[in-house]
Amino acid sequence: AQSVTQPDIHITVSEGASLELRCNYSYGATPYLFWYVQSPGQGLQLLLKYFSGDTLVQGIKGFEAEFKRSQSSFNLRKPSVHWSDAAEYFCAVGEKLTFGTGTRLTIIP
Amino acid sequence: GAGVSQSPSNKVTEKGKDVELRCDPISGHTALYWYRQSLGQGLEFLIYFQGNSAPDKSGLPSDRFSAERTGGSVSTLTIQRTQQEDSAVYLCASSSGGNFNEQFFGPGTRLTVL
Repeated sequence: AQSVTQPDIHITVSEGASLELRCNYSYGATPYLFWYVQSPGQGLQLLLKYFSGDTLVQGIKGFEAEFKRSQSSFNLRKPSVHWSDAAEYFCAVGEKLTFGTGTRLTIIP
Repeated sequence: GAGVSQSPSNKVTEKGKDVELRCDPISGHTALYWYRQSLGQGLEFLIYFQGNSAPDKSGLPSDRFSAERTGGSVSTLTIQRTQQEDSAVYLCASSSGGNFNEQFFGPGTRLTVL
């Protein structure tokens, strides 16, 4: 069965600092991986996805993620966070999306 | 253009009552998904419709849950004899079909069972 682990429930970073959110997956075949963001009172929005090819994928809002098969990881990164990035971030795998438990990101001035 | 819409946005019901939740997908999207988001279980897949194919109901938690999609467009999720553990936000998503195309999510329906 497919599964996703996001080990960090809550992360706090300073505005302008770099960010990395961790995601580990378990999937029986070539994984199809996604990162979604959910802002308060808003729906889920796709940040980026990986199907195949280049293991470093670029997404919206300046985010990127790197697929590492050897580590079963798909970590999300951003070089410099903005206050508007405060939200809940979900990693997901598969077509019928299996989500991780999410990481809540807080930005401090 | 219009995104995925869901109604009602909030629903409060009494234990044992039936409820219907509606989803209007993006026009032309052939795939439609229902998910549930709750504090205890996180985000869970419920059911998936693709075109005229039989729906994938593998995520439905019990036989009290059912869904239909009429005319390949609007979908209704029905929960019979609601229980308190059914309280959650029910999310609908649609995509243009094909494997792993981006799913566009609606704002959800918050269901509270008293």
